[in-house]
Amino acid sequence: QVQLVQSGAEVKKPGASVKVSCKASGYTFTNYEIYWVRQATGQGLEWVGWMNPNSGNTGYAQKFQGRVTITSDTSITTAYMELNSLRSEDTAVYYCARNYAGLGYWGQGTLVSVYS
Amino acid sequence: HSALTQPASVSGSPGQSITISCTGTSSDVGGYNYVSWYQVHPGKAPKVIIYDVTERPSGVSNRFSGSKSGNTASLTISGLQAEDEADFYCCSYTGSGVVFGTGTKVTVL
Repeated sequence: QVQLVQSGAEVKKPGASVKVSCKASGYTFTNYEIYWVRQATGQGLEWVGWMNPNSGNTGYAQKFQGRVTITSDTSITTAYMELNSLRSEDTAVYYCARNYAGLGYWGQGTLVSVYS
Repeated sequence: HSALTQPASVSGSPGQSITISCTGTSSDVGGYNYVSWYQVHPGKAPKVIIYDVTERPSGVSNRFSGSKSGNTASLTISGLQAEDEADFYCCSYTGSGVVFGTGTKVTVL
């Protein structure tokens, strides 16, 4: 069965970086794009970016351009989202999701908390 | 791309039908037949209930249906049930990524 398992919660100080992982299993990793979406407490869903693990192509929401990098390691079927220059407003649950028939499979989410 | 516009809240009694609108532009909703809808229960990951405007994933109740006209997509929930109470978000392809709607809280009275 398709599963996306994310890394655990992170606590960071303003200005630091965070790297969240998303381990995929149950399907051919390189056949589907991975999207990253975040949700701050009490707020809506917000798209962060995507990547194609086969080609390595990426796309980022304009809001995060220059601050986010999405990569993957196909040998271990894992995608990563790194966000730099963290600020308190980046406190949110970050999700990875597989793009097919909409965002059909989601990870369990990773809480990233940013405070001094 | 600015967030797609949804009503903040919609409510209905059990058994009734409700419709949630999702308004974008010709650069997103109106330009592609790639609108999806997600149901989000508190503390849970989103679940896709409609994709490609009208398609329903296997396992999703046929009480959920989607449509689109121009720059506005809609989600209809028929035969409203208590378990439908959740937040709902639309999402559209934009040509370079996706954009989500502002979200709608559905309350079952």
